[in-house]
Amino acid sequence: DTAVSQTPKYLVTQMGNDKSIKCEQNLGHDTMYWYKQDSKKFLKIMFSYNNKELIINETVPNRFSPKSPDKAHLNLHINSLELGDSAVYFCASSQEGGLTEAFFGQGTRLTVV
Amino acid sequence: RKEVEQDPGPFNVPEGATVAFNCTYSNSASQSFFWYRQDCRKEPKLLMSVYSSGNEDGRFTAQLNRASQYISLLIRDSKLSDSATYLCVVNDQAGTALIFGKGTTLSVSS
Repeated sequence: DTAVSQTPKYLVTQMGNDKSIKCEQNLGHDTMYWYKQDSKKFLKIMFSYNNKELIINETVPNRFSPKSPDKAHLNLHINSLELGDSAVYFCASSQEGGLTEAFFGQGTRLTVV
Repeated sequence: RKEVEQDPGPFNVPEGATVAFNCTYSNSASQSFFWYRQDCRKEPKLLMSVYSSGNEDGRFTAQLNRASQYISLLIRDSKLSDSATYLCVVNDQAGTALIFGKGTTLSVSS
């Protein structure tokens, strides 16, 4: 039973399209995150939610909009996709923010063509 | 100054070797420290937490030096399966998220 699951695993789309990535965790954690890993493999935090409330919103274009309908789900919607958005997006969760370890989903490999 | 800095490597070692990775962090108030492992095209996975007194898990030993804001990972008797990228992780200033270093790549050969 997967602890943090995100879909889809692969996403290939054209520039200008809008797409969503879904994430669910069944660990009962309070905190969920979106990280972006670029071609240089740097894993950078984008957003952090605690009990459905936005805690961290790093310098991310406002074309990226996270939504947390409940504390077990954190989805990421991206508008007007650009070539530079191509990356692997990881969802993660932790029990207590940055004080406890995070568990990651398998990642969504987004390719914008 | 970057929040978490690591030597990217790659470290190329033969099986059986001992290898050490180092990491420095900028936030002196950080309280949580971890080493994660990431295999190619996979998600990062927790390797071990790092405690103030240092801790060991089999062939892996982690050390923390708060005064120098320095974390280390020692791998003894390297196996082929240890080949991966090792990520140093520290909590952010607010304690609300984990900040990852860029990782150190290890390649163990026979």
